[in-house]
Amino acid sequence: QLQLQESGPGLVRPSETLSLTCSVSGGSISSGNYYWGWIRQPPGKGLEWIGSLYYSGSTYYNPALKSRVTISVDTSKNQFSLKLTSVTAADTAIYYCAHTLAAAFDYWGQGTLVTVSS
Amino acid sequence: QSALTQPASLSGSPGQSITISCTGTSSDVERYDLVSWYQQHPGKAPKLLISEVTKRPSEISSRFSGSKSGNTASLTISGLRSEDEADYYCSSYANRRWVFGTGTKVTVL
Repeated sequence: QLQLQESGPGLVRPSETLSLTCSVSGGSISSGNYYWGWIRQPPGKGLEWIGSLYYSGSTYYNPALKSRVTISVDTSKNQFSLKLTSVTAADTAIYYCAHTLAAAFDYWGQGTLVTVSS
Repeated sequence: QSALTQPASLSGSPGQSITISCTGTSSDVERYDLVSWYQQHPGKAPKLLISEVTKRPSEISSRFSGSKSGNTASLTISGLRSEDEADYYCSSYANRRWVFGTGTKVTVL
């Protein structure tokens, strides 16, 4: 059974960089024809796709966030990471990492709340 | 990219059926048979209900079914139960990106 767990600071200052890591257990991040993604949800609002990483290392980003987002992988640790630069209050959200099969997000982390505030 | 359009809210009595629509464009929902549906209870992560328009994971009740016509996908919940009260989101793959729906709050009366 695949399990994903987000980790990182819960509070980030405006204009700084948000950094989160997703640790994967129960399967290898580098095997299979899969995508690994980041999705966020502002408090009380809907889901927004941030970006995805293909198992080969290719990355795809939401055009609205592309200039500020980087997703990378550390296969030695079976983890993938999200960096979002120049954050503002609008980036306050619950951030989820997820595994993708047949373009559907079938396994999700529990989510981590990141608040942008001084 | 614009979010897919869903009704903000729907309600039904126990035992009834409801259908949630998800309207996209010729670049996403209409072009790809890669629409998925998610259920989200308060404080919980979303849960996959349907993938590839109609496919249901083995652990998901057969009361949930999906379909698509043109640029609109639909999720039908049959035999509505109190535990179905939740938020529901659709999502579509669209050429190396994903887009989510605006979300629908389902209330069981």
